Amino acid sequence: NAGVTQTPKFQVLKTGQSMTLQCAQDMNHEYMSWYRQDPGMGLRLIHYSVGAGITDQGEVPNGYNVSRSTTEDFPLRLLSAAPSQTSVYFCASSFQGSGNTIYFGEGSWLTVV
Amino acid sequence: AQSVTQLDSHVSVSEGTPVLLRCNYSSSYSPSLFWYVQHPNKGLQLLLKYTSAATLVKGINGFEAEFKKSETSFHLTKPSAHMSDAAEYFCVVSDRSMEYGNKLVFGAGTILRVKS
Repeated sequence: NAGVTQTPKFQVLKTGQSMTLQCAQDMNHEYMSWYRQDPGMGLRLIHYSVGAGITDQGEVPNGYNVSRSTTEDFPLRLLSAAPSQTSVYFCASSFQGSGNTIYFGEGSWLTVV
Repeated sequence: AQSVTQLDSHVSVSEGTPVLLRCNYSSSYSPSLFWYVQHPNKGLQLLLKYTSAATLVKGINGFEAEFKKSETSFHLTKPSAHMSDAAEYFCVVSDRSMEYGNKLVFGAGTILRVKS
């Protein structure tokens, strides 16, 4: 019962560095997404995917790239980290269609100095 | 466009007293509504969801919420608070008009404090 697995859990980056947050799910969900959580703002959608090979932008996509080469994996890439990207990142997955339960990973705490 | 307003950023109750966390939503179509809970430094756990069946929805840990279309509200309640309920709670709306995807819009969150 792995569910949604995110790595790493904690990361400190220097401004300008790049890195990839990994996300994997073992529930055969079509839909996967990345959110960032900032104090007092709830979770905001960065990118999402409705299936392998299909991705789209969410509310706050700038500075992030995603790809979906398999159903299971949905990595999030920070191209050139900025202090404004200091946040907690959550990966989520579900079956397609509104109303289906969304399953969240445990989160990745990222600090950009 | 969808939006969610959680009317209280912080709620403080005594252990054993009722909990009320308020949520109003705006959606152009028939919404699905969720409440999630997040304990410190943890991920989000689904408490309950409304998807157009019964308007009174029962969730885990004694929580329930009532969908009131006329008031565009989905308030979360619990008859008796427990210390372990202290956490942040998020009201979330998902637009059922969407053929693909499962975009969620989150409220800003309500931090529940439970006093002994």
